[in-house]
Amino acid sequence: EAQVTQNPRYLITVTGKKLTVTCSQNMNHEYMSWYRQDPGLGLRQIYYSMNVEVTDKGDVPEGYKVSRKEKRNFPLILESPSPNQTSLYFCASSSARGPLGTQYFGPGTRLLVL
Amino acid sequence: AQSVSQHNHHVILSEAASLELGCNYSYGGTVNLFWYVQYPGQHLQLLLKYFSGDPLVKGIKGFEAEFIKSKFSFNLRKPSVQWSDTAEYFCAVLTGGGNKLTFGTGTQLKVEL
Repeated sequence: EAQVTQNPRYLITVTGKKLTVTCSQNMNHEYMSWYRQDPGLGLRQIYYSMNVEVTDKGDVPEGYKVSRKEKRNFPLILESPSPNQTSLYFCASSSARGPLGTQYFGPGTRLLVL
Repeated sequence: AQSVSQHNHHVILSEAASLELGCNYSYGGTVNLFWYVQYPGQHLQLLLKYFSGDPLVKGIKGFEAEFIKSKFSFNLRKPSVQWSDTAEYFCAVLTGGGNKLTFGTGTQLKVEL
């Protein structure tokens, strides 16, 4: 089954404790992206990747890092989480047409930073 | 930078009522436009998209949207909503040559029986 998976689905952590949210897709998609969803603000793009070893900032990259060493994986790293990073995070992937293609979204990761 | 406005944040309709959700964007060049939907507890999924050609686009589940270039709008419509259409709807814009989507803030639709 074609899908985008994220782990963990729920995470409670404390300020400053490094964490990684994994994202994996099994559709051989080249384009992958991370978004955060906050009430009243919709989805905002954090980072995106056009292909392996090619990443770029979205609209809200501060406080986040990403890497794309393999085509299927696109982890989101919070080196020193802060309470304002409490949010619902979505990973997405799409075909070689990049964001022109249909984006397939993961189930989301709900993060609470205390 | 482009921006996307969805002025209706919450909409409540009765079943069989007609729906129109507004979406306006701010960019004067070539755009690609999308509507995504997020049903309760589910992933976001694509409803429809516009790239070029016929400005009236038909999507899944009876939804359609009309691109009006002069008004910078891409409103979503459905002639008769069902209870199962209760969801959050997001408009998104990709500008020419861009690699990132800009989403609107979303419209929460509740359909009452």
